[in-house]
Amino acid sequence: EVQLVESGGGLIQPGGSLRLSCAASGFTVSRRHMAWVRQAPGKGLDWVSFLHSDSSTYYADSVKGRFTISRDSSINTLYLQMNSLGAEDTAVYYCVTSAGGFDSWGQGTLVTVSS
Amino acid sequence: QSALTQPRSVSGSPGQSVTISCTGTSSDVGDTYYVSWYQQYPGKAPRVMIYDVHQRPSGVPDRFSGSKSGNTASLTISGLQAEDEADYFCCSYVGTYTFVFGTGTTVSVL
Repeated sequence: EVQLVESGGGLIQPGGSLRLSCAASGFTVSRRHMAWVRQAPGKGLDWVSFLHSDSSTYYADSVKGRFTISRDSSINTLYLQMNSLGAEDTAVYYCVTSAGGFDSWGQGTLVTVSS
Repeated sequence: QSALTQPRSVSGSPGQSVTISCTGTSSDVGDTYYVSWYQQYPGKAPRVMIYDVHQRPSGVPDRFSGSKSGNTASLTISGLQAEDEADYFCCSYVGTYTFVFGTGTTVSVL
């Protein structure tokens, strides 16, 4: 059974950095396409970043240059390094697998950017 | 990339059919086979209901169906049930492994 468990969210001041983790089980992260999708409170879904199984990375314009997606195959974990955070980055961040659409989702981790 | 346009809400009585539209452009919905739909209950993670325009994942009831015409994709729920009351989001591939979601639609069962 595929399972995704995000962690690392919390309250962070504007301009700060945070690294989100997504521990995966039931499959091998390095063999699947993976992504991060976020959802601001009361708002819709927003695609953030995509990590191809060949290790190439892709980002939404809104986070390009500030966020970095990566993985650690040795511990089957996906990451999202977030720098220069602003209020507009406040959201629940979901780790997802990408096969038939975004087919598996974690429970999400809340990131709140506020002073 | 602008969000795809969905109606804010749709409603229907149990047993009826409702259709949610998802309108994009010739650069997204109109140019891809990779359109998907997600169901989300309050406080829960989304769940994929349709992928590749009309493919249904295992476990999704066959009353959910997807289609596309030009720049508009659609999700139809036939035989509406109380448990279908939720938010629904479409998503389109935009090219080079980038994606855009729709604005979201709340389905209400009267």
